[in-house]
Amino acid sequence: KAGVTQTPRYLIKTRGQQVTLSCSPISGHRSVSWYQQTPGQGLQFLFEYFSETQRNKGNFPGRFSGRQFSNSRSEMNVSTLELGDSALYLCASSPDPINSGTEAFFGQGTRLTVV
Amino acid sequence: SQQGEEDPQALSIQEGENATMNCSYKTSINNLQWYRQNSGRGLVHLILIRSNEREKHSGRLRVTLDTSKKSSSLLITASRAADTASYFCATGLTGGGNKLTFGTGTQLKVEL
Repeated sequence: KAGVTQTPRYLIKTRGQQVTLSCSPISGHRSVSWYQQTPGQGLQFLFEYFSETQRNKGNFPGRFSGRQFSNSRSEMNVSTLELGDSALYLCASSPDPINSGTEAFFGQGTRLTVV
Repeated sequence: SQQGEEDPQALSIQEGENATMNCSYKTSINNLQWYRQNSGRGLVHLILIRSNEREKHSGRLRVTLDTSKKSSSLLITASRAADTASYFCATGLTGGGNKLTFGTGTQLKVEL
């Protein structure tokens, strides 16, 4: 089974621009979550999508948004980029949960640098 | 915000020794997962342990969970240089879907 695929792997953007990151989950997984990892804040939860609906949202400004498509692929968008948005963005894929969590499998991440 | 703290922050051992990392968390959980990360790359899933379990094994890995103390430990036996990485615990809440709250991580270095 193919793992979680994130594209692109590396990205350099200028302050004020916007960026879209993509995540293809493991085949059959319907839940996709996004995380931001920085040296200062560690791993922070951004949001989770399940069946094209946002189910959970972390404490990030509205500049961070996401969506999920009918094939479970997900995108996240960051508008009006700031230097502090430079981070490793990780996508996680999980099987269909009911109430309890299941294993989350991560992609290799997208390294975003804002200059 | 971080749910948990990991202890120690950094650990350096010799190949063949055992490595123990501890994770403490703040709220009641549904499950706790351990991950490994090499040099800022993706996270590799190691073990999931549910709140009604006390111990799980996977190869050279042993995870314990003490819900009364809100703590977990990861033991790596007979460590290898290839085990050098950062290790994170992450907690999931009942009804929280698949949202995970991560600890601060332990940097493990295994020297030859």
